[in-house]
Amino acid sequence: AQTVTQSQPEMSVQEAETVTLSCTYDTSESDYYLFWYKQPPSRQMILVIRQEAYKQQNATENRFSVNFQKAAKSFSLKISDSQLGDAAMYFCAYRGIYSGAGSYQLTFGKGTKLSVIP
Amino acid sequence: EAEVAQSPRYKITEKSQAVAFWCDPISGHATLYWYRQILGQGPELLVQFQDESVVDDSQLPKDRFSAERLKGVDSTLKIQPAELGDSAMYLCASSKDSYNEQFFGPGTRLTVL
Repeated sequence: AQTVTQSQPEMSVQEAETVTLSCTYDTSESDYYLFWYKQPPSRQMILVIRQEAYKQQNATENRFSVNFQKAAKSFSLKISDSQLGDAAMYFCAYRGIYSGAGSYQLTFGKGTKLSVIP
Repeated sequence: EAEVAQSPRYKITEKSQAVAFWCDPISGHATLYWYRQILGQGPELLVQFQDESVVDDSQLPKDRFSAERLKGVDSTLKIQPAELGDSAMYLCASSKDSYNEQFFGPGTRLTVL
């Protein structure tokens, strides 16, 4: 079974600074997807960025970028120019290409709570 | 922008009572998911529907939990009887199909006393 580990329960960053959230995963599959989701307090979870394992180029979405190290099974999220609105729980998630019976189950880590200091 | 709707947002119940949660996915989304998120943890899949059919309910505690999506649109998740350990956030998500991006609702926070 796949596992996702986020070793930083909490992180903080000064506004306008850069922060990196760590994620490692374990899988025996060669092709899969990785995601970072943001869950603001009392609001719904939204997708921040996704990475396809077969793509060597790291994904980027505006101020959010990833460092995907397939051999090391590492998938970190870098947030540049941090803003107050970035404060939230961040979840790393894994999804296989095919999990049988049409199920593409997301496996989530335990999350990292990010605080942004004004 | 279309969103996944869930109700109620908050539910407090006593153990051994029955509770039900409702989810209305984004229009046109064939796949619907129910997740349970215990405080301090990431969401865990309970059940996945493709249209009206259950695709994956391997982690659904079937002795007390049931889920249905009769017309392949909205869905209900029921717990009977509720136990103290069921206190959690119950999230609903939907996607166009099972391999597309999942969109999450705001969740129902259940407290069992």
